[in-house]
Amino acid sequence: AQKITQTQPGMFVQEKEAVTLDCTYDTSDQSYGLFWYKQPSSGEMIFLIYQGSYDEQNATEGRYSLNFQKARKSANLVISASQLGDSAMYFCAMREGLIQGAQKLVFGQGTRLTINP
Amino acid sequence: GAVVSQHPSWVICKSGTSVKIECRSLDFQATTMFWYRQFPKQSLMLMATSNEGSKATYEQGVEKDKFLINHASLTLSTLTVTSAHPEDSSFYICSANPWEGQVPTGELFFGEGSRLTVL
Repeated sequence: AQKITQTQPGMFVQEKEAVTLDCTYDTSDQSYGLFWYKQPSSGEMIFLIYQGSYDEQNATEGRYSLNFQKARKSANLVISASQLGDSAMYFCAMREGLIQGAQKLVFGQGTRLTINP
Repeated sequence: GAVVSQHPSWVICKSGTSVKIECRSLDFQATTMFWYRQFPKQSLMLMATSNEGSKATYEQGVEKDKFLINHASLTLSTLTVTSAHPEDSSFYICSANPWEGQVPTGELFFGEGSRLTVL
């Protein structure tokens, strides 16, 4: 069963607009972590934001915020004031459990975001 | 911040040869590292967990004799693709955990990735 689902294969947004990238997850664990990574064409994985399952407030990092709705099991990424450099592939990922050292991630299918000038 | 480095960043080899990819944690020790594979326009799929001083743990469907993993030190894991074939052409990327011994509360670090092309 798919644990991380990103339903938007591609998104096209005008520069300076806000954009929301969807992510839903499935887990029976009470303790887990949710991540968003950006992957430009170079291939590197750039960390954007992290939300722990026990964090009561939504995570924010500059122009990035994570809309965490635990009951709905969703962790959408919101990018405010989009820039041309935001064009890339975006992956939502989940780490299950709090076992120290077991930091493997399960990734969603990704969303390709294109910012138009 | 913590840095993970991979080498080589790209490699082209002939079918039947073996290729070694290195993953190093530059400023922290990692008893556990992870190897992912990413085919074009697809997501990252975990191949195996590399454990320092013991055997790697492979995900279902990954051939351990095909993808040899050696985690000889606390800062280095290597992935060797043995007898490579064109279908092994892919982007291989490693990850290391800077949160060992702690409750994880943030970023996990990835190498720059290695693009393998098998002719």
